[in-house]
Amino acid sequence: KAGVTQTPRYLIKTRGQQVTLSCSPISGHRSVSWYQQTPGQGLQFLFEYFSETQRNKGNFPGRFSGRQFSNSRSEMNVSTLELGDSALYLCASSVDFLEQYFGPGTRLTVT
Amino acid sequence: SQQGEEDPQALSIQEGENATMNCSYKTSINNLQWYRQNSGRGLVHLILIRSNEREKHSGRLRVTLDTSKKSSSLLITASRAADTASYFCATDPSGGYQKVTFGTGTKLQVIP
Repeated sequence: KAGVTQTPRYLIKTRGQQVTLSCSPISGHRSVSWYQQTPGQGLQFLFEYFSETQRNKGNFPGRFSGRQFSNSRSEMNVSTLELGDSALYLCASSVDFLEQYFGPGTRLTVT
Repeated sequence: SQQGEEDPQALSIQEGENATMNCSYKTSINNLQWYRQNSGRGLVHLILIRSNEREKHSGRLRVTLDTSKKSSSLLITASRAADTASYFCATDPSGGYQKVTFGTGTKLQVIP
């Protein structure tokens, strides 16, 4: 089975712009979670989706949003980018909300 | 805030030695998982231990869980250079639906 894929892998944006990141889960996985990873804060939970419904949301401002499509693919959007949004954004899929399979991540740099 | 805190933050050992890292958490859990992250393979699931289990083995990995102390340990025996990575514990809190939360991680360096 193909693993979790994330696009793009690297992204450079300017403050104030918006960005959309994409995640394709492993075939058959209906749960998708998103995390932000930074050296200072570690892995921080953003959202979790299951069958197109947001099941849970982390403590991030409303500039961070996401959605899941009927084919389980997911996107997350960050509007009005700030320097502090520079991070590795990881997507993970799972069958049972337990063992998560992570993608390689999207490295976002905000200048 | 982080649910889990790993200790030590960094660990450097010689190849062939054992490596032990610990995770402490704050609330009751359904299960606890350990993940490894390195530059080559990204974040990978290693092992899951449920709250009613005390010890679990997988290859060279041994995980213990003490729910009374809200702590877990990961032991890697006969370490190899390829074990060099950051190791995270992740907790699935009990008592209603809550998100899985990752700890701060232990950076392990195995010197050949």
